Amino acid sequence: QLQLQESGPGLVKPSETLSLTCTVSGGSISISSYYWGWIRQSPGKGLEWIGSIYYSGSTYYNPSLKSRVTISVDTSKNQFSLKLSSVTAADTAVYYCTRRYCTNGVCYFFDYWGQGTLVTVSS
Amino acid sequence: QTVVTQEPSFSVSPGGTVTLTCGLSSGSVSTSYHPSWYQQTPGQAPRTLIYSTNTRSSGVPDRFSGSILGNKAALTITGAQADDESDYYCVLYMGSGISVFGGGTKLTVL
Repeated sequence: QLQLQESGPGLVKPSETLSLTCTVSGGSISISSYYWGWIRQSPGKGLEWIGSIYYSGSTYYNPSLKSRVTISVDTSKNQFSLKLSSVTAADTAVYYCTRRYCTNGVCYFFDYWGQGTLVTVSS
Repeated sequence: QTVVTQEPSFSVSPGGTVTLTCGLSSGSVSTSYHPSWYQQTPGQAPRTLIYSTNTRSSGVPDRFSGSILGNKAALTITGAQADDESDYYCVLYMGSGISVFGGGTKLTVL
């Protein structure tokens, strides 16, 4: 059974860079037609797609976050990572790592989710 | 910027039928947006219910169904149960790798 597990600091200072890693177990990250990415949920709010990456390194980003987001992949470790720069209190959220099915230029759905990790931005 | 719209809240009686919708601030939702639906209970990660408009994810009961109704995507729950009380989110594919979540609908079963 595929499992995704987020890891990283739970507290980040304003203006610094948030860094999270997702470790994939029970399957290979180097699988065709699946992108790996991040979704977040601010406390008491809805879900927001952040971005996704293919094992080859091809990326898609939310336009509203694109200037601050970098998603990378390490196939040797079966991991992918998120960096979000210049964070503010508005970036406080539960961050989920996900698998997303995309093929022939169309992305259809998110089928696997990590349990989520809360990141608080505060001094 | 395109906004994906959902009813903020809805209520249904146990055993009843409810239809939640997913629209666009401008324009109509069609199958080309490949709507998908997710269920989230408090403190849990979302669970995939429906994708590609009307395909149920593995293990999802057939009382959950998806469709296009008029100019919106729709999630219908037939024979609502107490444990269907959750938040429901739709996602639309906007092209160029971009997916947008709706604001979510809080469903109460009472």
